[in-house]
Amino acid sequence: DQQVKQNSPSLSVQEGRISILNCDYTNSMFDYFLWYKKYPAEGPTFLISISSIKDKNEDGRFTVFLNKSAKHLSLHIVPSQPGDSAVYFCAAQWGGGGADGLTFGKGTHLIIQP
Amino acid sequence: DTGVSQDPRHKITKRGQNVTFRCDPISEHNRLYWYRQTLGQGPEFLTYFQNEAQLEKSRLLSDRFSAERPKGSFSTLEIQRTEQGDSAMYLCASSRGQDLGVEQYFGPGTRLTVT
Repeated sequence: DQQVKQNSPSLSVQEGRISILNCDYTNSMFDYFLWYKKYPAEGPTFLISISSIKDKNEDGRFTVFLNKSAKHLSLHIVPSQPGDSAVYFCAAQWGGGGADGLTFGKGTHLIIQP
Repeated sequence: DTGVSQDPRHKITKRGQNVTFRCDPISEHNRLYWYRQTLGQGPEFLTYFQNEAQLEKSRLLSDRFSAERPKGSFSTLEIQRTEQGDSAMYLCASSRGQDLGVEQYFGPGTRLTVT
């Protein structure tokens, strides 16, 4: 059973507009959430993370929002640029035994239209 | 380039053969992770090391899978008696420290095709 869900396989956004990628999780034991970006033939690249004790983290054009009661997080990219076209993975980490491996969603393919 | 490197990048093998993949982490990173990614899925965590100690191996997919990190530097992932279902991308990642939310840096992966 998928503990981290990204229900939109793809998303198309016009250049300059806001991209919003969504992620839901089922395991309330997750303590940290991370977003990764992946281009073809490359490994995932870290974008931004958020602790479960916060509800927002911002880094330049990227902002992650966490709604713990809804077990939902979202990544906002504004303004969207052509280079943002990639697959975005939401990942979660359980801190019970120290930093364990990440649990990933299936990814959302973001396409930025010129 | 001082990123995570993996070798080989591609491996084609016949069913029943053994394969071994190598991962060289970023030099000052003491944690090393292995993941598997199949088509249309996100990476799936397999195992990890802190220095040379393997701290989690219950997620390895079967007893045909094993990993080592003998000197706390590079790591190898071996799959014995490969099956067609083992065809996937095998990713290695490394991180510094053991705090939550610490970024894991991924290598480019080894794509395994079992014929």
